[in-house]
Amino acid sequence: AQRVTQPEKLLSVFKGAPVELKCNYSYSGSPELFWYVQYSRQRLQLLLRHISRESIKGFTADLNKGETSFHLKKPFAQEEDSAMYYCALYSGGYQKVTFGTGTKLQVIP
Amino acid sequence: DAGVTQSPTHLIKTRGQQVTLRCSPISGHKSVSWYQQVLGQGPQFIFQYYEKEERGRGNFPDRFSARQFPNYSSELNVNALLLGDSALYLCASSLVGGVSYEQYFGPGTRLTVT
Repeated sequence: AQRVTQPEKLLSVFKGAPVELKCNYSYSGSPELFWYVQYSRQRLQLLLRHISRESIKGFTADLNKGETSFHLKKPFAQEEDSAMYYCALYSGGYQKVTFGTGTKLQVIP
Repeated sequence: DAGVTQSPTHLIKTRGQQVTLRCSPISGHKSVSWYQQVLGQGPQFIFQYYEKEERGRGNFPDRFSARQFPNYSSELNVNALLLGDSALYLCASSLVGGVSYEQYFGPGTRLTVT
């Protein structure tokens, strides 16, 4: 069975500090991983996916198959980064998406 | 385009009743997926439809069913409601099938079962 674990429910950092939101996954196949974000009173939206290897709003995430992790990082947190972040795993063979429980990022001015 | 729309916004039902939730995808999108989000949890995948066919199903009982219409809108039906079905139900659409393609989420329907 596949699983996505986000160990922190809440992560508080000061503005300008580095951010790392942790995501670990369990899946026997070749994973496809995503980060979704939900800002206050807005819809859930895609932030980035590992296959794109892109940086969105200063965030990056690298897939580490050895550690089965897909941590989301940003070198300098901004107040507008405060939001709920979800890590998600797509298992292509079963057309199924598994979301983590989410981490609330709070950037303190 | 208003994006993905869902109706109704809120719904209160009694245990044992049946409910139908509706979703209209972004114009041109042919795939719709449904998720259940219980308070404090991440979204849980229920179904994915593409070109009116079911392409993926999550671990939900047969009380949950869905369909997609020729205009690509979709309905999610839940029969014999239980208290545990109380949740936010999200719909997401994408251009093509396969949930790995970028999905655009709707605002959700808040279902309360009493």
